[in-house]
Amino acid sequence: SQQGEEDPQALSIQEGENATMNCSYKTSINNLQWYRQNSGRGLVHLILIRSNEREKHSGRLRVTLDTSKKSSSLLITASRAADTASYFCATPGATNKLIFGTGTLLAVQP
Amino acid sequence: ETGVTQSPTHLIKTRGQQVTLRCSSQSGHNTVSWYQQALGQGPQFIFQYYREEENGRGNFPPRFSGLQFPNYSSELNVNALELDDSALYLCASSGEDRNNYGYTFGSGTRLTVV
Repeated sequence: SQQGEEDPQALSIQEGENATMNCSYKTSINNLQWYRQNSGRGLVHLILIRSNEREKHSGRLRVTLDTSKKSSSLLITASRAADTASYFCATPGATNKLIFGTGTLLAVQP
Repeated sequence: ETGVTQSPTHLIKTRGQQVTLRCSSQSGHNTVSWYQQALGQGPQFIFQYYREEENGRGNFPPRFSGLQFPNYSSELNVNALELDDSALYLCASSGEDRNNYGYTFGSGTRLTVV
């Protein structure tokens, strides 16, 4: 079963705009991770935020975490066509397995 | 650029056959996990190996089995293939610092069962 749910399921924006996607999860966590997947290929680790952190930045990415609401958001600023991909949040479950959400499909129009 | 290599990239098998997928972990990583990703879904955890021992298993039947070798490379074996086994199979490796740096995924093997 999926731990998290991403919202929206799909998002279409113009190049240069910002993209925000949200993730909700169900159980207590010690960290939350975001991954990108290009068209059915492997996942690329984007950013990890620990449970004691509220916000983290990496280049054009900004991640927030609200453990009281069991939710996280990923903001991509100044989007580019190359950002077109599916984005997944994931949380570590028992034995450190990753439990993934259902993903947000982002399309950035040139 | 990923340090995890999976082979083959694509595979077509017939229902009832057996398949072996291979994964070469990133150097220095002692943990490997396998995931199944059906079309349009998030990856589902199959099992994890740590220092050649199974270290956790998801909700998959026993016909899904694995091995991890001393060089930390790994295999996923699936017996008696079913049509629903058609999916992208992903291998991910991690070190002791997985809670700081996450996992490194391979590009996957696309398995089609006909």
